[in-house]
Amino acid sequence: DQQVKQNSPSLSVQEGRISILNCDYTNSMFDYFLWYKKYPAEGPTFLISISSIKDKNEDGRFTVFLNKSAKHLSLHIVPSQPGDSAVYFCAASAGTSGSRLTFGEGTQLTVNP
Amino acid sequence: KAGVTQTPRYLIKTRGQQVTLSCSPISGHRSVSWYQQTPGQGLQFLFEYFSETQRNKGNFPGRFSGRQFSNSRSEMNVSTLELGDSALYLCASSLSGQKSSPLHFGNGTRLTVT
Repeated sequence: DQQVKQNSPSLSVQEGRISILNCDYTNSMFDYFLWYKKYPAEGPTFLISISSIKDKNEDGRFTVFLNKSAKHLSLHIVPSQPGDSAVYFCAASAGTSGSRLTFGEGTQLTVNP
Repeated sequence: KAGVTQTPRYLIKTRGQQVTLSCSPISGHRSVSWYQQTPGQGLQFLFEYFSETQRNKGNFPGRFSGRQFSNSRSEMNVSTLELGDSALYLCASSLSGQKSSPLHFGNGTRLTVT
């Protein structure tokens, strides 16, 4: 039972354009969502998070949007840079624990120069 | 500040053997979590330790165990290895394990079971 799904295994965009990565979840108990970025041979790196009491959170070029009624969140990267090329994981947690995360399968983002 | 350090980076074991993986968290971080990453199942939570106590446990068999020492360093052990245990094992640390302190991952230990 995949509670967090990233339906696009890959995404390719041009440098300078917007990258939009999507994530859907099924568990209504999830109340905290995160995005991680992973380069080959490295562990995931935290990017940005959002609590279920908000619908948007921004950090520099990265913005996460949360639509609770649709159980959908998205990560926008503007402008996209070649260094953003990596696998992006959506993750969610419920209750008080910030360590027990449920991850999506990941989306490989390629930003072409 | 040094990141999360996992040793060894690579490991090859035979079915039936046991293995111990080690993790040194970021200095000052008291929570250590372990995840398994496989191509079929993705990243899955194994367990979390805080102040030497297991605080959360994922849906893995009892062959998977761990512990945390007083200096917050952690080890995980897998006994009676099976071929399906071949995976990347990631350790992550955080200040408190609460939602306000995100996980910082190490580069993982790649375990191959033959």
